[in-house]
Amino acid sequence: DAKTTQPPSMDCAEGRAANLPCNHSTISGNEYVYWYRQIHSQGPQYIIHGLKNNETNEMASLIITEDRKSSTLILPHATLRDTAVYYCIVRVAPGSARQLTFGSGTQLTVLP
Amino acid sequence: DGGITQSPKYLFRKEGQNVTLSCEQNLNHDAMYWYRQDPGQGLRLIYYSQIVNDFQKGDIAEGYSVSREKKESFPLTVTSAQKNPTAFYLCASSTDRASQPQHFGDGTRLSIL
Repeated sequence: DAKTTQPPSMDCAEGRAANLPCNHSTISGNEYVYWYRQIHSQGPQYIIHGLKNNETNEMASLIITEDRKSSTLILPHATLRDTAVYYCIVRVAPGSARQLTFGSGTQLTVLP
Repeated sequence: DGGITQSPKYLFRKEGQNVTLSCEQNLNHDAMYWYRQDPGQGLRLIYYSQIVNDFQKGDIAEGYSVSREKKESFPLTVTSAQKNPTAFYLCASSTDRASQPQHFGDGTRLSIL
C-alpha cells in the first residue's frame, strides 16, 4: 500500500471549515483513499473514502487531486467534538482484505 | 444496531498469565482484524482472518494467538510469551473488498499487574 504523509497537528476555530491535507504521491491506480478519525481512547471511526472522484457524505467531503497524489478532507463546520487524530490511508483495490496501515495522523484541535 | 463489540473494556494481566480478548460482530462481515495501538502511535496489525477457520499473521503476531471458529467471533489470546502486552487492542471487521471500509470496536485496554 502507498505511504501517506500528513501534518502532525492543526488547529481550527469552531464553526469554521477544517481542511486536512494528505500526500500520497506513490498511490497506484487501484488504491482507494480512506479517512478515519480517532478520539482519545476510542476505536477509529470511518469518515469517508474515494478512488478518483470527489466524495461527500453527512460527515465530510473528500477532494482528490486529478493526479491522485494528494487529497484533502474537509469538515465544513468544525465543532469541539471534531477534535481527534485524523488518519489518511490508502488501500488496494477490490479482492484484497488486507490490513489498513495507519500512520501517525494529524491531531486536529478545534478551538472555541 | 449492527456493530462490533469488544470485551472487556479494561483487562489486567498477571505475569505468566494468558488472557483472551473478545471480539464479536453482527455485520455479516467475512474479514476480521486485530490491531495493537501503543501511546501516541498508529495501529499495527496482529492477526487477520478473511474467512472462517483461516487466519494470517500480521506484522506483530509473536506472543499472540487467534481462532476463527465462527464468522461472528475472532478472539485474541495474549500469551505469556508477549513480554510487553500493555497496549490498546482494537478489533475491526469488513467485507473482503477494499472498496468498503473497516469498522472498529471500542477497544480493550490491557495492563500488567
